[in-house]
Parts: sequence; C-alpha cells; structure tokens
Amino acid sequence: GEDVEQSLFLSVREGDSSVINCTYTDSSSTYLYWYKQEPGAGLQLLTYIFSNMDMKQDQRLTVLLNKKDKHLSLRIADTQTGDSAIYFCADTNDYKLSFGAGTTVTVRA
Amino acid sequence: EAQVTQNPRYLITVTGKKLTVTCSQNMNHEYMSWYRQDPGLGLRQIYYSMNVEVTDKGDVPEGYKVSRKEKRNFPLILESPSPNQTSLYFCASSPIARQETQYFGPGTRLLVL
Repeated sequence: GEDVEQSLFLSVREGDSSVINCTYTDSSSTYLYWYKQEPGAGLQLLTYIFSNMDMKQDQRLTVLLNKKDKHLSLRIADTQTGDSAIYFCADTNDYKLSFGAGTTVTVRA
Repeated sequence: EAQVTQNPRYLITVTGKKLTVTCSQNMNHEYMSWYRQDPGLGLRQIYYSMNVEVTDKGDVPEGYKVSRKEKRNFPLILESPSPNQTSLYFCASSPIARQETQYFGPGTRLLVL
C-alpha cells in the first residue's frame, strides 16, 4: 500500500488543543480518515474528509487537508481525558485502506 | 444493531495448528476486509473481498487464506500458524457505494506459541 506517516506520540494538557499531523503519498486518494482506538478496543471512525475539501469541522474536531503537500491534520479543541487514545490516519483508494502507525495521545491533568 | 462480529476474541495456539477466525456482518455490505495490527506498524490489510466469491490480496497475505461463500461471512484461515502471526486482527465491512463508512469488528487477539 501507499505510505501514510504520522508522529508516534503527543502529550497535551487537559483543556488545550491537540493537533495530530499525517502525511500520505497516494495523490489519488478519494477519502482520508481519522480513526480513534481506545485501550483494548477496536477502531472507531472519528471523521473523514473527501479529497476535494480543504477543511471539515465536526464539533470539537477540525480536519485540515493540504492536497498539494499531501498533509492531513486533526485538531481536537478543549482536549479531555477521554480523548486519550491512539489516533490513526488512513487514506483510501479503491476501497483499500492504508493506515499510519498511529499517534498515541496522552492527556495530562 | 448494526455490527461486525468476530470470534474468537482471544486465542492462544501452537505453531502449525490450523485455525479459523470468523467474521460476520449484519448490514448486507458487499465489501469486507481483514487487517492485522502490530505495534509501530499501524494496520495492514491482509485480504479483502468486493462481493461473494470475489477476494483479493492486500499488503500482507502470506500465510493466510480467506473465503467468501456468503455475503455476511468472511472467515480468515491460518493453515499453519507461525509465531510471526501473533497479532491483533480486525475485520471490517462497508457498502460498495459508501467506502467512507467502513465498520470495524472488536478485534481478535492471537498468540501463536
């Protein structure tokens, strides 16, 4: 599959904003996703963005897509302890999902 | 309730003993897929299926087999498991026309001794 890269760890104080970054290589990706995995649980689709969009906002979540630089980011406003999890960036082409290694977000009080 | 189920959720086995992990979805989805998750590697696709009797290799198919005889079921078969197949396995499904809505199962944690 195509490469999707993201930083492995992020520590953030409760109440601050978190920004998780991701880069991908497949310029023909139709959708780009953010999944959340809480400890011991499966993957939960958080949000997704269609490749012809620059931004998508959904409550505390903001997704920014820079198609020229193949850069995707997820901003979580007012980060809470329940946001502690692993966040996966993924892109898709012809139904095949390619995942990054995951960013472990730790929220400290 | 719309869901993807996997069984078993946890399995410890020995090298060479054939095993099957079942996956079933109740949403009438055409597309189904298997992934394995390993630390630092994210999820990698093993096999996928676009519909009944149509299966294709993903990125890491070696050592695995699948079948799609019915729309709702997509079992993952390890004919001769080896320790490097110790991993966390996820099944997923989606409608063909809504690829952005892939639903994931709860995962199967496999340990091969």
